[in-house]
Amino acid sequence: DTGVSQDPRHKITKRGQNVTFRCDPISEHNRLYWYRQTLGQGPEFLTYFQNEAQLEKSRLLSDRFSAERPKGSFSTLEIQRTEQGDSAMYLCASSPSGAPYNEQFFGPGTRLTVL
Amino acid sequence: GQNIDQPTEMTATEGAIVQINCTYQTSGFNGLFWYQQHAGEAPTFLSYNVLDGLEEKGRFSSFLSRSKGYSYLLLKELQMKDSASYLCAVLGDYKLSFGAGTTVTVRA
Repeated sequence: DTGVSQDPRHKITKRGQNVTFRCDPISEHNRLYWYRQTLGQGPEFLTYFQNEAQLEKSRLLSDRFSAERPKGSFSTLEIQRTEQGDSAMYLCASSPSGAPYNEQFFGPGTRLTVL
Repeated sequence: GQNIDQPTEMTATEGAIVQINCTYQTSGFNGLFWYQQHAGEAPTFLSYNVLDGLEEKGRFSSFLSRSKGYSYLLLKELQMKDSASYLCAVLGDYKLSFGAGTTVTVRA
């Protein structure tokens, strides 16, 4: 399967703990995006990478959140001192640059539950 | 800012046609996407419009009017497997801004 993959698929944690999620984009895609989706809502943009450079961070991404893409391939999203409001589905997407339009291909998501 | 509106829920009968409307007011526009999302799964691409008019793809068609800030997704010959959430999303410079989604329920 050459689609976007995310790990883990589910994470249950206690409030105050740190969690880290991983995203592996489609191999030839140099753009990578993180979104967050809560129940009954559409995905909300969190951050965007072009290769290893993080080009934008949403104001939704508080200082407890950090994302990296060290070699321009996989990316990690870390949440420190988790809060119950962080419970959501975290979606990763990738797209090629230079395309006529930038269709974003989504991974299966990581569902986070903070107790 | 981005403002994207679509109905919350729609119900239709198997074999029928359903039209999901989406209106948007956005600060940038590089196209409008429709995604399908089944419960607990990732969104999957259905259609893309950047020019005014109708794009047809099998049982699914999507329409765009940029001057009116309006799009619709038309689902024909509905099947039970079409029961899902349908997300309207506007592409800015590089990021997608999504509506809250329309949950379509197909009844036998």
